[in-house]
Amino acid sequence: GQNIDQPTEMTATEGAIVQINCTYQTSGFNGLFWYQQHAGEAPTFLSYNVLDGLEEKGRFSSFLSRSKGYSYLLLKELQMKDSASYLCATGGYNKLIFGAGTRLAVHP
Amino acid sequence: DGGITQSPKYLFRKEGQNVTLSCEQNLNHDAMYWYRQDPGQGLRLIYYSQIVNDFQKGDIAEGYSVSREKKESFPLTVTSAQKNPTAFYLCASKERESDTQYFGPGTRLTVL
Repeated sequence: GQNIDQPTEMTATEGAIVQINCTYQTSGFNGLFWYQQHAGEAPTFLSYNVLDGLEEKGRFSSFLSRSKGYSYLLLKELQMKDSASYLCATGGYNKLIFGAGTRLAVHP
Repeated sequence: DGGITQSPKYLFRKEGQNVTLSCEQNLNHDAMYWYRQDPGQGLRLIYYSQIVNDFQKGDIAEGYSVSREKKESFPLTVTSAQKNPTAFYLCASKERESDTQYFGPGTRLTVL
């Protein structure tokens, strides 16, 4: 079957580091995507991993292990504006499956 | 400016009425997608189209219909057969080089 799991909620402090994990099982694989979605808005693309390893993009990094079916999104130097839902997505055959999202609350 | 537009942003309809949601893109992407999002849930795929004049059902196609007569446009019709149509509807198009999907701003549909 196809399944994506990620924690429902996380909290963190402004300026800290947070890691959001995602495990997946899919029948095809065309890469692992992370999206950020603020309340009431559309998702915006953050990162894409197709090979194992870490991809760094400013304060955000994303890691992939295809053999383990595992990815994480690392957010450094957290800011209040990072409070949002983070969606993990993967799939194949021209379709993506989305996780339910991890709601991150950043506190002062 | 390249992008994806959806209109209207908010839509209200009476029970039993069909309604069409617009999605337009000028990114020259071949593939387009429609998703539905309910509160606290992930995105569920309704329909997708890889090329003009062709489309496939997603996981929750019942009660919906689409057309793809032009590359730039992929309208979604929510029919009266859809039992729980109140939701946030998102349209996306896909970049061929990386398979990345980019989303429009969404349409929030409320059935009264």
